[in-house]
Amino acid sequence: QLQLQESGSGLVKPSQTLSLTCAVSGGSISSGGHSWSWIRQPPGKGLEWIGYIYHTGTTYYNPSLRSRVTISADRSKNQFSLKLTSVTAADTAVYYCARDYCAAGSCHFDYWGQGTLVTVSS
Amino acid sequence: QSALTQPASVSGSPGQSITISCTGTSSDVGGYNYVSWYQQHPGKAPRLMIYDVSNRPSGVSNRFSGSKSGNTASLTISGLQAEDEADYHCSSYASGSTLRVFGGGTKLTVL
Repeated sequence: QLQLQESGSGLVKPSQTLSLTCAVSGGSISSGGHSWSWIRQPPGKGLEWIGYIYHTGTTYYNPSLRSRVTISADRSKNQFSLKLTSVTAADTAVYYCARDYCAAGSCHFDYWGQGTLVTVSS
Repeated sequence: QSALTQPASVSGSPGQSITISCTGTSSDVGGYNYVSWYQQHPGKAPRLMIYDVSNRPSGVSNRFSGSKSGNTASLTISGLQAEDEADYHCSSYASGSTLRVFGGGTKLTVL
């Protein structure tokens, strides 16, 4: 059974960089046909897709965040990471990592991490 | 403001059926059969309930069903149970610059 686990800083100061890692077990991030996404949810609000890294290493980001986001992968550790620069209070949210299955005529997020709350505050 | 539009809340009594709508455009919901629905209980991660408009993953009750007409997708829950009380989010593949879009979420209350 595939499992995803987020980790990283829970409190970030304004203007600094948010850094999170998603450790994947029970499967390889290098498996074909899968992308690995970051999704966030501000308190009391809906979900927002941040971006993904494809199994080949190709990345794609939400245009609203593209200038501040970097998603990378460490295949040796079977994990992928999120960096979001110049954060403000508006970036306070629960951040989820998820497997983005989009192949063979199907497209959906089938496995999710439990989420980690990141608060931006001085 | 979310890309897809959902009602903020719906409610129903145990045993009844409810439907949650998710309205997008021809660039997302209307253009692809890649609508998915997620259930989220308070403090928990979203759980996939419906994918590709109407398919149920293994382990999801057949009380949950999905459909689509034009730019609007729908999630129907029949035989409402107390455990169904949760937030429900729709999502779609999208063409253009944003490949994945979500709705704002709908809070389901079981009366």
